[in-house]
Amino acid sequence: DAGVIQSPRHEVTEMGQEVTLRCKPISGHDYLFWYRQTMMRGLELLIYFNNNVPIDDSGMPEDRFSAKMPNASFSTLKIQPSEPRDSAVYFCASSGEGQGAEAFFGQGTRLTVV
Amino acid sequence: GNSVTQMEGPVTLSEEAFLTINCTYTATGYPSLFWYVQYPGEGLQLLLKATKADDKGSNKGFEATYRKETTSFHLEKGSVQVSDSAVYFCALSSSPGSARQLTFGSGTQLTVLP
Repeated sequence: DAGVIQSPRHEVTEMGQEVTLRCKPISGHDYLFWYRQTMMRGLELLIYFNNNVPIDDSGMPEDRFSAKMPNASFSTLKIQPSEPRDSAVYFCASSGEGQGAEAFFGQGTRLTVV
Repeated sequence: GNSVTQMEGPVTLSEEAFLTINCTYTATGYPSLFWYVQYPGEGLQLLLKATKADDKGSNKGFEATYRKETTSFHLEKGSVQVSDSAVYFCALSSSPGSARQLTFGSGTQLTVLP
């Protein structure tokens, strides 16, 4: 397996524009996580899915953020409208069942909102 | 709720020095514990893990022991190398019911000088 695949790797957009980040988890994994990493706040869990169903979205900062998982092999994180304070690295991770199962991370999308 | 507290960085060591990065946790039940490493420009990757009390995880010369009595999972390496320079994250995973909680510490930046 190629691991967790995220696209794009880098995104620069203007304030107010819509941004869509994409993630393909490892085949067979039941859990998918979206994280945001910044210098100030570290690694924050935004939302996670189990079997394509959103389980906990309490980390989503506000209504401008939304996430979907239409099938087991694809998820999106959308920001609309984007703001400069959304600039961060966004990671997607997936894992199998069981709390001992490790999470596998993608290489991240570095988002810059100007 | 669950939480992970790890040693503030940054940590700077000379090559071949001994490394300890402290990690303590708060969790209900019996979580699994992990150390992840993040190299510059990359996603997090699993370094080692332990799934029950007194287990020792080890990999690439790093080791950590799951201490339930002190709720700790300190990372150690006897002789660090320049290539170990990275950010290290302590994490725990628990599965209350059908939920899945994956909680990370704030990360510790390690720089090893030749």
